[in-house]
Amino acid sequence: QKEVEQNSGPLSVPEGAIASLNCTYSDRVSQSFFWYRQYSGKSPELIMSIYSNGDKEDGRFTAQLNKASQYVSLLIRDSQPSDSATYLCAVNSGGSYIPTFGRGTSLIVHP
Amino acid sequence: EAQVTQNPRYLITVTGKKLTVTCSQNMNHEYMSWYRQDPGLGLRQIYYSMNVEVTDKGDVPEGYKVSRKEKRNFPLILESPSPNQTSLYFCASTLLGRGDGANVLTFGAGSRLTVL
Repeated sequence: QKEVEQNSGPLSVPEGAIASLNCTYSDRVSQSFFWYRQYSGKSPELIMSIYSNGDKEDGRFTAQLNKASQYVSLLIRDSQPSDSATYLCAVNSGGSYIPTFGRGTSLIVHP
Repeated sequence: EAQVTQNPRYLITVTGKKLTVTCSQNMNHEYMSWYRQDPGLGLRQIYYSMNVEVTDKGDVPEGYKVSRKEKRNFPLILESPSPNQTSLYFCASTLLGRGDGANVLTFGAGSRLTVL
């Protein structure tokens, strides 16, 4: 059973701080990793995708992948109240196009 | 505009009354999937389809049916809805492949179903 684990939170950070969201996965042959953001009652939308070890930056967002330790993280710099949402980690295994989702981490950015 | 369209967005029905939630995408995606989302349980996959006439069960298929007669459409059928199928449902699609940008899911806006 492929598993993707996330701390459900809520993770509460002050405005302007760095929010760090973590995700671990069980399938060692996983190759594609995604972070989706979901506002309450809305559909998930892609924030970042990462495919190789290391960091990938896009604006205030940085995804970090460490395949040896089987974790992927999302850093949000200069957090804003509008970043308050649930962040879903999704992982595709090497031989499958079907993503496995974690249960999500709730992030609250307070002014 | 590239999108996944679900209908209805909201529905209240009664136990046993058959219903269909439609899903249509205009991006020529091979892969389509249905999820349900319940508090504390995250997204759980109901059924998915890799292409026309190819469907397979996800993690929670009981009580649901799907069909994929055309590439753009992937309806979810509840033959005899029960209260435990009250949930928020999402349809999603993607272009299959390898490499950067592949397999990113585009989600519909969601369908909130209540079964009394």
